[in-house]
Amino acid sequence: EAGVTQSPTHLIKTRGQQATLRCSPISGHTSVYWYQQALGLGLQFLLWYDEGEERNRGNFPPRFSGRQFPNYSSELNVNALELEDSALYLCASSQGDYSNQPQHFGDGTRLSIL
Amino acid sequence: SQKIEQNSEALNIQEGKTATLTCNYTNYSPAYLQWYRQDPGRGPVFLLLIRENEKEKRKERLKVTFDTTLKQSLFHITASQPADSATYLCALGSNTGNQFYFGTGTSLTVIP
Repeated sequence: EAGVTQSPTHLIKTRGQQATLRCSPISGHTSVYWYQQALGLGLQFLLWYDEGEERNRGNFPPRFSGRQFPNYSSELNVNALELEDSALYLCASSQGDYSNQPQHFGDGTRLSIL
Repeated sequence: SQKIEQNSEALNIQEGKTATLTCNYTNYSPAYLQWYRQDPGRGPVFLLLIRENEKEKRKERLKVTFDTTLKQSLFHITASQPADSATYLCALGSNTGNQFYFGTGTSLTVIP
């Protein structure tokens, strides 16, 4: 069974640009979650998508957005990039919502803002 | 707001000993708690889940306890091995699926 895949592995942008990160969940998983892991900080919850709908979002500004496609893959968009957006962005999937379900993570996209 | 604290950022133990990692939380009443392992440059990997009505859970050399009165979970690795060296994260969640909170992690090094 293929795991969660994320692309690209690394992404370098400059301030003010826009970034798009992609995630393919495990086959059969309908929920996708996005997290930001900045250096020295824990995983911060960004967004949760299930069945194509945004179910919840964390305490992040609106320039962080995303969507989920009919095949359950997802993309995260970050507009007007700022230096503090530099972090590892992790995607996870689970069967249904994550209540009582383990999350399966990809290896992330390392976003660097110059 | 909720706060999750994991014991000292780094923990070093001798091979063969039992490693005990702590996860304390405040301002939250989780319905369940999960533990994950994260290796450098990789995403977290799920290890164990324990529910609020469970006191203890075991899986091979791993054991998790959950004390809702103390607001604390303990994660034990018995007969530790150098391959157990990694960062271990605890995560708390509710039944409503509103949010899922991760601690900052404890870096464990098992010395041969």
